[in-house]
Amino acid sequence: GQNIDQPTEMTATEGAIVQINCTYQTSGFNGLFWYQQHAGEAPTFLSYNVLDGLEEKGRFSSFLSRSKGYSYLLLKELQMKDSASYLCAVRDSGGYNKLIFGAGTRLAVHP
Amino acid sequence: SQTIHQWPATLVQPVGSPLSLECTVEGTSNPNLYWYRQAAGRGLQLLFYSVGIGQISSEVPQNLSASRPQDRQFILSSKKLLLSDSGFYLCAWSVGLAETYEQYFGPGTRLTVT
Repeated sequence: GQNIDQPTEMTATEGAIVQINCTYQTSGFNGLFWYQQHAGEAPTFLSYNVLDGLEEKGRFSSFLSRSKGYSYLLLKELQMKDSASYLCAVRDSGGYNKLIFGAGTRLAVHP
Repeated sequence: SQTIHQWPATLVQPVGSPLSLECTVEGTSNPNLYWYRQAAGRGLQLLFYSVGIGQISSEVPQNLSASRPQDRQFILSSKKLLLSDSGFYLCAWSVGLAETYEQYFGPGTRLTVT
């Protein structure tokens, strides 16, 4: 079966650092994505990992361990606009660039 | 640059009525196209995907169907809506026949079945 787990909700303070974890158990794996989704809007792409290790992009970093079926998204210097849902998605290995999404983590940043 | 359009933005329909949601992509050729549904507070569920005109694959058995009459047009339909069809419907595209990693999402259609 396909299973992707993320915490449902997290809260953090403006200016702080937050780590959002994602664990997955899927029949195939060809990369892991993180998307940001503000309420009522479409998801937007944040990061992609296919090899183990850390990918850094500005205030956002994403880590992958394929042997552990684990990824995290690290957000630094949090801003109020970072309040959103963060979706972890695994790319299926069967082709066609199919993505399997977790339920998302709702992050609330407060002053 | 590529853009993706969906309409309508919001829709309220009674149970048993038909449905037609449209998605079009501009600025690219032969894209992979996807329909997702997102229930309130939930993740995205892949409903259909298409790798070419007339080629539709269904991910879950359901009350919906999809068609791709043109290269950059993807339509989601139903003959009779159920209450459980309510949700946020998102169309997405990615570059076909290439090593690509992102899917790009349209603005979505919020459907309420009453």
